[in-house]
Amino acid sequence: EVQLVESGGGLVQPGGSLRLSCAASGFTVSSNYMSWVRQAPGKGLEWVSVIYSGGSTYYADSVKGRFTISRDNSKNTLYLQMNSLRAEDTAVYYCAGRYMDVWGKGTTVTVSS
Amino acid sequence: DIQMTQSPSSLSASVGDRVTITCRASQSISSYLNWYQQKPGKAPKLLIYAASSLQSGVPSRFSGSGSGTDFTLTISSLQPEDFATYYCQQSYNLPNTFGQGTKVEIK
Repeated sequence: EVQLVESGGGLVQPGGSLRLSCAASGFTVSSNYMSWVRQAPGKGLEWVSVIYSGGSTYYADSVKGRFTISRDNSKNTLYLQMNSLRAEDTAVYYCAGRYMDVWGKGTTVTVSS
Repeated sequence: DIQMTQSPSSLSASVGDRVTITCRASQSISSYLNWYQQKPGKAPKLLIYAASSLQSGVPSRFSGSGSGTDFTLTISSLQPEDFATYYCQQSYNLPNTFGQGTKVEIK
């Protein structure tokens, strides 16, 4: 079964860090382009970052310089390292892959003091 | 960045109704347009890719059309399970921006 499972969300203070993980099964992360998308409470979807099969990475302006997308091919897992977190980063974070046809259930990040 | 504008933002419809949602891009995106359905507390689900191609497993009552800057998602006969929020997304260039969403509610 093709599946993505996110983990690593939680409550963090402003300025803090979190690393989100997205474990894939049924397909190979390194052979596909993988994305992170977030959704603030009561808001719409916001594209955050992508890593292509060749390893190129791109970020939304709102997270550039603070977030880093990466993958571990041996673990078939995607990551999002989030530093210098702000209140406006509070959201459910989804990973998506394989041309956006596979999505995880999401993990919640809350940035608050 | 390419801006995606959906209309309407919300609509009320009855089971069996034909529903049309439009999405307009701020510049031409050829056919690089996806449509998603999202239900409360759930992840988005891909319905249509490349503007008009139906994702595997999606009912045929869903269809997409358009190219360039103007796109349409049509539900030919609304079913109870179709009440949800629908988003368009351009995959023409980065960032892959989403529309603001259209909430389809029960009349």
